[in-house]
Amino acid sequence: EVQVLESGGGLVQPGGSLRLSCAASGFIFGSFTMGWVRQAPGKGLEWVSSISGFGAGTHYADSVRGRFTISRDNSKNTLDLQMNSLRAEDTAVYYCARSAVLCRNGVCFENVFDFWGQGTLVTVSS
Amino acid sequence: DIQLTQSPSFLSASVGDRVTITCRTSQGISNFLAWYQQKPGKAPKLLIYAASTLQTGVPSRFSGSGSGTDFTLTISSLQPEDFAFYYCQRLNVLPSTFGQGTKLEI
Repeated sequence: EVQVLESGGGLVQPGGSLRLSCAASGFIFGSFTMGWVRQAPGKGLEWVSSISGFGAGTHYADSVRGRFTISRDNSKNTLDLQMNSLRAEDTAVYYCARSAVLCRNGVCFENVFDFWGQGTLVTVSS
Repeated sequence: DIQLTQSPSFLSASVGDRVTITCRTSQGISNFLAWYQQKPGKAPKLLIYAASTLQTGVPSRFSGSGSGTDFTLTISSLQPEDFAFYYCQRLNVLPSTFGQGTKLEI
């Protein structure tokens, strides 16, 4: 059974740092791109960052580029998100999600988030 | 970046109703679109990808259609567990963007 479980959320002051982690199981972790998606209170979904299976490719939303760093350890089946210079607008539930490539009729569809964790809440406030 | 606009933002319906949610993109994206369902306090769940392909385990009352700039998610006969938020997502390009969401309520 595929499982992803986030940890590391909490209350942090503006300008502070926090590191989120995601533990994955039930699939060949290194074969999948992984991503973080966040949801501010009462708002919709916002993609934050993704990292390729071997970690060579990383991508960030403009809103977090230069402040957040995504990384992974395939030997431990873990995904991390280092968040620096946090702002009030970073307050959200952060979801770890498996990003699958699903193919149909010879066409492949990427960045399909097929399994999600339950999320971890990050609150940036003084 | 391509914008995804869902309509309506709020939809009231009853058990047994047929409902349709629309996702319109600011530029054509072929069929590179997914739909997710999210219940309060829970993680999103993948329903449909490739605009019309049902994810394994999703009930057949859910269906998707569309290509280019106009897409629809249809629930043929609403069940009590279907009352939730629904989001569309553009696939195959980063940054990945989601629609603003549709709240389906009783």
